[in-house]
Amino acid sequence: GAVVSQHPSWVICKSGTSVKIECRSLDFQATTMFWYRQFPKQSLMLMATSNEGSKATYEQGVEKDKFLINHASLTLSTLTVTSAHPEDSSFYICSAMRPGLAGGYVTYEQYFGPGTRLTVT
Amino acid sequence: KNEVEQSPQNLTAQEGEFITINCSYSVGISALHWLQQHPGGGIVSLFMLSSGKKKHGRLIATINIQEKHSSLHITASHPRDSAVYICAVRNYGQNFVFGPGTRLSVLP
Repeated sequence: GAVVSQHPSWVICKSGTSVKIECRSLDFQATTMFWYRQFPKQSLMLMATSNEGSKATYEQGVEKDKFLINHASLTLSTLTVTSAHPEDSSFYICSAMRPGLAGGYVTYEQYFGPGTRLTVT
Repeated sequence: KNEVEQSPQNLTAQEGEFITINCSYSVGISALHWLQQHPGGGIVSLFMLSSGKKKHGRLIATINIQEKHSSLHITASHPRDSAVYICAVRNYGQNFVFGPGTRLSVLP
């Protein structure tokens, strides 16, 4: 089946530094990838939609200057948390959308990455 | 009112029991997904549904579009099924709206 990887799987950084998280679709091309954030014991929240070759679309309340998203190729999207603060500590997950065909209809299957746990000290 | 609701929030079952997790939603959707999140955080997409019923191994997912309701059933539950099960609906803009999750613990 389709595989999506994330790197790193966990990272600890100091307050004020920037952290880059990579999301790769390993065996398919993904024109659209999504970034989510999950706080402890809460459900996932969509942060932004990343489209290859264009600017990301951010959800309401997500600061685009703080969470920089780059989708430079069909297999790679990156999320950079700039000037990280302890409240940015969270589990960040990406997913990649793979179009397919089923019964003559176009389907959009989502494949999730394993997540990146960010701790800002 | 949340757009996607799940019940129960928490569920403890004995190994071998039949388990049902429910999801109801209030928005128009193009598809509904059932996701499984293990304690380490990794997420696996179990099913994508737009109508009817799907079965994979011991897992069965159904959806009733008119009633805006979906159920996930686990037959012959096993401790390795312990996880958080998340219902996620995809709107026509292809964005996801997630339910709060159901935390399942299956005891040996």
